[in-house]
Amino acid sequence: DAKTTQPTSMDCAEGRAANLPCNHSTISGNEYVYWYRQIHSQGPQYIIHGLKNNETNEMASLIITEDRKSSTLILPHATLRDTAVYYCIVRGSLDSNYQLIWGAGTKLIIKP
Amino acid sequence: ETGVTQTPRHLVMGMTNKKSLKCEQHLGHNAMYWYKQSAKKPLELMFVYSLEERVENNSVPSRFSPECPNSSHLFLHLHTLQPEDSALYLCASSQVFFSSYNEQFFGPGTRLTVL
Repeated sequence: DAKTTQPTSMDCAEGRAANLPCNHSTISGNEYVYWYRQIHSQGPQYIIHGLKNNETNEMASLIITEDRKSSTLILPHATLRDTAVYYCIVRGSLDSNYQLIWGAGTKLIIKP
Repeated sequence: ETGVTQTPRHLVMGMTNKKSLKCEQHLGHNAMYWYKQSAKKPLELMFVYSLEERVENNSVPSRFSPECPNSSHLFLHLHTLQPEDSALYLCASSQVFFSSYNEQFFGPGTRLTVL
């Protein structure tokens, strides 16, 4: 199963764009990249997912490199409420019934 | 109620107690999940139910016993737990289970402390 590597923590100023990187160099051609976040004491919240093309929704944008070995989640105008742990996840393979493989994530702190 | 709800939100129990965690999803989904989140460890998948049938059991000790009476409700029955079982227990649901695309919706979790 493909694994992901993320920085342990990052800071970002309120109102600025937060760019969260993720490496997934062993990703296979049919595996999606998912992003979730977990605000303290809450359950994880789905943000966005993508396969090859860049994606955008009301929460964030996802930029996937052409070789699909890395991606970046962009929160365009970070607010204090965006402080959370952000998880970059590549779905497991058919062998693992497509389970989500969770890592340690990036703790993003938005500073006033 | 909308989304995925879990009760209780907090639970303290002794090692000899029997208790149950409850999860309810109001999304019309067919798959439900139990996860365990211990301090400083990634989320661990415990059980998966698809159309009320258990499809995954990831080597979870028998002191944890899941039950899925219908597609909207999921229980986790607890008995003779150990202090190391103290964790946040998260319930999630998704439209289908076996799919390469499978967004999961999580509940707020039950914070369990075993004394």
